[in-house]
This record gives sequence, structure tokens and C-alpha cells, in this order.
Amino acid sequence: KQEVTQIPAALSVPEGENLVLNCSFTDSAIYNLQWFRQDPGKGLTSLLLIQSSQREQTSGRLNASLDKSSGRSTLYIAASQPGDSATYLCAVLNSGGYQKVTFGIGTKLQVIP
Amino acid sequence: DAGITQSPRHKVTETGTPVTLRCHQTENHRYMYWYRQDPGHGLRLIHYSYGVKDTDKGEVSDGYSVSRSKTEDFLLTLESATSSQTSVYFCAILRQGGNEQFFGPGTRLTVL
Repeated sequence: KQEVTQIPAALSVPEGENLVLNCSFTDSAIYNLQWFRQDPGKGLTSLLLIQSSQREQTSGRLNASLDKSSGRSTLYIAASQPGDSATYLCAVLNSGGYQKVTFGIGTKLQVIP
Repeated sequence: DAGITQSPRHKVTETGTPVTLRCHQTENHRYMYWYRQDPGHGLRLIHYSYGVKDTDKGEVSDGYSVSRSKTEDFLLTLESATSSQTSVYFCAILRQGGNEQFFGPGTRLTVL
């Protein structure tokens, strides 16, 4: 059974700092890995999608990497801003079966002005 | 936002009553999912569908049933709601040709 772990569970940083969020998964048989952002009381917004054949994806100040063999992904946020405060979740789309997705619990980020 | 809507957005009901939540999509995606989100547990899959009338159980399916009679609609039913089913429910689709998942806005359900 696939398990996804995100470390740390919570993170508080001063504005302007670069930071890294970590995601690990136990079964490397995945199609892709997706990073989401969730604001309090809101739905999930897709940030980045990395296919299993890719090593990284970038969008603006965000960069996500994937090392499928070691079961790890990182989300790098450059020059953090207070508006980046949210919970960040990673999810893996598992190979085989009917496209089932497994989520981590998330990392709650607070960027202090 | 992949054209996903959920209804109702908020509902308060009493233990033992039946409840149906609706997910509607406008882009004819094959795969649809129902999740619940609870503090400390993250998102957990309840049921999913891989086509009209094709559904299967997720990891927390007890007490829930689903139906998909049209591509665009995926219904989640709590036959007899219990307080443990108080949660936020999210519907999602999988956009193929990339296999990227997109979520609806969620339904906050409170069972008293």
C-alpha cells in the first residue's frame, strides 16, 4: 500500500527566505507526482505536476523535483512572501489499477512579514 | 478550474438521515473521485469512478455509496449519516493526457 509522508508538518519562516518542503513515498511505481496548495477553508489548487519520467518542473518561484528511485520529491519556494502562507500537499498517482491517488497530510507554511 | 462544481456547499443534517452530495463536471473526464478531508488524516479516498456506471471503493468507503449514471455527474450518498461522517468532502477529476488532478470547491457536511 502506497504511503506518502510530508516533512515538516509545519514551518514558519521570515519573508524573503528560500525554503524546501519534502515529500516521500514508499512505492516507486507511480505515474506522476503533483503538488497542491490549500488555503484555509478552501479547495486544492494544483501547483506543479511532475511525470515519472521527469526530474523537475518549474513555475515562477516554485520548483519541484522528483527522484522516483529513492521515493522523494521536494518543493522549493524562492523568496517566500506572506501570500505563500498555506498548506502544501503532495500526491502520487499510482501505477496499475484505476488511476488511484495517494495524498500526504501536508505541510502548513507560515511566512512572517 | 476544470469546470467542477459541488452541491450543496454546506449542509447540516441529523444522525440517521440520508444525504446526497453532487459533483458535476463540464469537460467529460472519465475519472472522478470523492475524498474526505479531516484534521490529522489528510485527504482519504472514499470512492472513485472510471466511467459511467463503473465505480470502485477507496480506503474509507464504509457507510458511503456512489452512482454515476452520466459522465458529468458523480453522486455520493450517505445512507444513514453518522457524526463520524462530519467532514469536508471534495470531488476531483483526472484530466487525461497528463493525468493531472483537479478539485472542486468542497462541501462542508456537519452531522449532529
